[in-house]
Amino acid sequence: DAGVTQSPTHLIKTRGQQVTLRCSPISGHKSVSWYQQVLGQGPQFIFQYYEKEERGRGNFPDRFSARQFPNYSSELNVNALLLGDSALYLCASSLQGPLDSNQPQHFGDGTRLSIL
Amino acid sequence: AQSVAQPEDQVNVAEGNPLTVKCTYSVSGNPYLFWYVQYPNRGLQFLLKYITGDNLVKGSYGFEAEFNKSQTSFHLKKPSALVSDSALYFCAVRVLSLYSSASKIIFGSGTRLSIRP
Repeated sequence: DAGVTQSPTHLIKTRGQQVTLRCSPISGHKSVSWYQQVLGQGPQFIFQYYEKEERGRGNFPDRFSARQFPNYSSELNVNALLLGDSALYLCASSLQGPLDSNQPQHFGDGTRLSIL
Repeated sequence: AQSVAQPEDQVNVAEGNPLTVKCTYSVSGNPYLFWYVQYPNRGLQFLLKYITGDNLVKGSYGFEAEFNKSQTSFHLKKPSALVSDSALYFCAVRVLSLYSSASKIIFGSGTRLSIRP
């Protein structure tokens, strides 16, 4: 079975631009979470979606938004890009919803976003 | 504040020796704890979890972790290290919102494990 897939793998943007990152969860997984991993740090939680509804939000500005589609895939959008948005963006899927999430999350290999 | 701490940026061990990667946590209620490993240019891979029950949890690739409630720790261990264990290791805890049906995972800052031949 395919794991979590993310696209694109690498992306270069300039300050002020907008970017959309995509994630396809493992088949049957209904929960998708997004994380930002800056070089040398642990992943920071951005959003969690379950059954197409936002179920959790981290401490990120409103420039960050996301959505989940009926097939449970997800997009992360970042507007007005800043140099500090340069990072590896990870998507993770899990079978259960947030209140039942004693199950581990399965991560994709991420999208490396570089802002010039 | 709810948090996870990994006090060591790097751990160096000789192949064949036991290894320990430390993790402490601060959360409200009963913690759900996880260990993940990250290889270069890859996402995180799940190693093991503690939800409830036996304090010694066994996971993938011969790793195990010991939950200690009184010390609020969840250290990762392996009896005999392999060179292939060299990677970045993250401890994580699930945190529930008190006011909504939401949860999130908080990760530690990571520990780089280096196993020398």
